[in-house]
Amino acid sequence: EIVMTQSPATLSVSPGERATLSCRASQSVSSNLAWYQQKPGQAPRLLIYGASARATGIPARFSGSGSGTEFTLTISSLQSEDFAVYYCQQYNSWPLWAFGQGTKVEIK
Amino acid sequence: EVQLVQSGAGVKKPGESLKISCQTSGYTFTTFWIGWVRQTPGKGLEWMGIVYPGDSHTRYSPSFQGQVTISADESISTGYLQWGSLKASDTAKYYCVSGPILTGYIDYWGQGTLVAVSS
Repeated sequence: EIVMTQSPATLSVSPGERATLSCRASQSVSSNLAWYQQKPGQAPRLLIYGASARATGIPARFSGSGSGTEFTLTISSLQSEDFAVYYCQQYNSWPLWAFGQGTKVEIK
Repeated sequence: EVQLVQSGAGVKKPGESLKISCQTSGYTFTTFWIGWVRQTPGKGLEWMGIVYPGDSHTRYSPSFQGQVTISADESISTGYLQWGSLKASDTAKYYCVSGPILTGYIDYWGQGTLVAVSS
């Protein structure tokens, strides 16, 4: 079983600042890594797939990087609408697709 | 516009059966797999399984194998998740999801269906 570990659990950031979220896989998932954003009461939405490709309509301030076991989601300048919970998910091999436990980005 | 519209919330008793649905539109049904994700406050997001609508081939996460049945009806572009005998621990929000056939990321999410199981 591949375990996805996200850090930190909570990130306090001021609007306009950069946020850096981490996701670590217990074994290599190549670049088969996605990031999702979930706001309260809403379904998650896809931000990044293939570790670094932005999904349709996602602003350029969101960027993903990494491969193998270490991945990063960076939000270059936080906007008010970016405060949410972010999840990573590996899809390297079924039935081992798995989500991380999430990072909550809150207003500092 | 792609839409995944799920059936409504329900309250059921332990031991009862349930089948929830996911009506899709806006894309060719057989070009995406359909899957289900469970969300609970304690365990977060969990993959349950997926079905490939073109041949109805299913894949289940080990945690859910034998506990649920995932299916799809190509004629009405709809996916299903069903339980034969609900338990209190099945109380959760269930999301219908879909993604491109050859990948595993989720391109589209339904609005979620809240299932509560209580005696």
